[in-house]
Amino acid sequence: TQLLEQSPQFLSIQEGENLTVYCNSSSVFSSLQWYRQEPGEGPVLLVTVVTGGEVKKLKRLTFQFGDARKDSSLHITAAQPGDTGLYLCAGATPTGNQFYFGTGTSLTVIP
Amino acid sequence: NAGVMQNPRHLVRRRGQEARLRCSPMKGHSHVYWYRQLPEEGLKFMVYLQKENIIDESGMPKERFSAEFPKEGPSILRIQQVVRGDSAAYFCASSQQANTEAFFGQGTRLTVV
Repeated sequence: TQLLEQSPQFLSIQEGENLTVYCNSSSVFSSLQWYRQEPGEGPVLLVTVVTGGEVKKLKRLTFQFGDARKDSSLHITAAQPGDTGLYLCAGATPTGNQFYFGTGTSLTVIP
Repeated sequence: NAGVMQNPRHLVRRRGQEARLRCSPMKGHSHVYWYRQLPEEGLKFMVYLQKENIIDESGMPKERFSAEFPKEGPSILRIQQVVRGDSAAYFCASSQQANTEAFFGQGTRLTVV
């Protein structure tokens, strides 16, 4: 059973376009993280959101945590080839002992 | 401030040998998590340890796999009598407190031949 579902699974867009990646669950999370992973490397933490409805911006990336803390989205404005990678969401449950990872979204930005 | 350090980066073992994967958490972090990743797949939880204690090993196979995080030294993930199906990337992450943001190492890519 996959606790966190990400969509889309694959995304290929032209440089300069906007995109949104979704991370959904039926479970409540005490915090949610977004990571980006490049081939052959470990996931790199982009952001952590902890409050329902929270919005965080990191340059061209906007992260939102759902009001009920069950879902999140990542919006990228004016995508660049350097944004190419695997985007992973991960949630920590209030009583759990692990970070549950989403299925991942593989993004390719074509120059 | 060094990040999470894993070694070796690449490890080749013949079937039946033992694999030992090491993870040094970030300074000040006492919580360590091990994950396995197969090609084109997400990260699967294996085990969560806090200094000298295994807190949750629900994702780790009961046989051949073990993990430790001693008082001194790195966390070790040990795989005995490796089989081809053990070939994967193994990632370690650490956090300062339980279930707070975790930082990952670069992983150990195990290949069983």
